[in-house]
Amino acid sequence: AQTVTQSQPEMSVQEAETVTLSCTYDTSENNYYLFWYKQPPSRQMILVIRQEAYKQQNATENRFSVNFQKAAKSFSLKISDSQLGDTAMYFCAFMKHVPGGSEKLVFGKGTKLTVNP
Amino acid sequence: DTEVTQTPKHLVMGMTNKKSLKCEQHMGHRAMYWYKQKAKKPPELMFVYSYEKLSINESVPSRFSPECPNSSLLNLHLHALQPEDSALYLCASSQDRDRVGQPQHFGDGTRLSIL
Repeated sequence: AQTVTQSQPEMSVQEAETVTLSCTYDTSENNYYLFWYKQPPSRQMILVIRQEAYKQQNATENRFSVNFQKAAKSFSLKISDSQLGDTAMYFCAFMKHVPGGSEKLVFGKGTKLTVNP
Repeated sequence: DTEVTQTPKHLVMGMTNKKSLKCEQHMGHRAMYWYKQKAKKPPELMFVYSYEKLSINESVPSRFSPECPNSSLLNLHLHALQPEDSALYLCASSQDRDRVGQPQHFGDGTRLSIL
C-alpha cells in the first residue's frame, strides 16, 4: 500500500530565507505522480507543484522547487525567499491508481509552516 | 478566486435535519471528488465521480449521499448526521481519467457543524 510520510509536524522560517519541507513515500509502482499542496488558514487547498516520476528533472514553480530522489523515494519541497503569505499547512501527496480507471490522492499528515517577519 | 465553487461556506444543522452541500466547476473536468477534513488532519477521500458515475465510495456511511446531476455539478446530501461528522467538506475536480496524473483543483470548502 502507498504511504506518505511527512516527518516535520511544524517548521518556522524567517522572511526572505529558504526552508525545505521533507516528504518520503512508499510505492511499488514505477510511473506515478507526486504533489505538494498548501492550505492557508483561509482553508482552500492550493496546488503548489506537481512531479512526474518518470521525469528526472525536478519540477519548479517560481520560488518553489522540489528535490525528487526516486531511488530514495524522497520528494522534498524547497521554498526560496519565504514570504509571509507562505504561512500555511503543506501537504505532500501521492496519486494512486485505482482499479476501474480512477485515481486518488494519498496525503501525508502535513507540515505547518510559519513565516516570521 | 477559486474555479471550484462550494456552497454554503458554513452550515449548522441538527442531527435530524436534511441538508445538501453543492459544488460546481466550469473547467470541463470530468472527475469530481468529495473529501472530509478534520482540524489539523489531511483530507480524507469520501467519493469519486468519473463521467458522472460513482467510481469510488470509501465505505462512507449511508447518511452521506452523493449525487452528480451533470458534469459540472456535484452534490452531497446529508441526513441524520452525528456530531463526529462536524468537519470541513472539500470538493475537488480534475481532468478526465484518460489524462493520468492530473492535479485536483479544490474549492474553499463547507464548514459543517452538527449540533
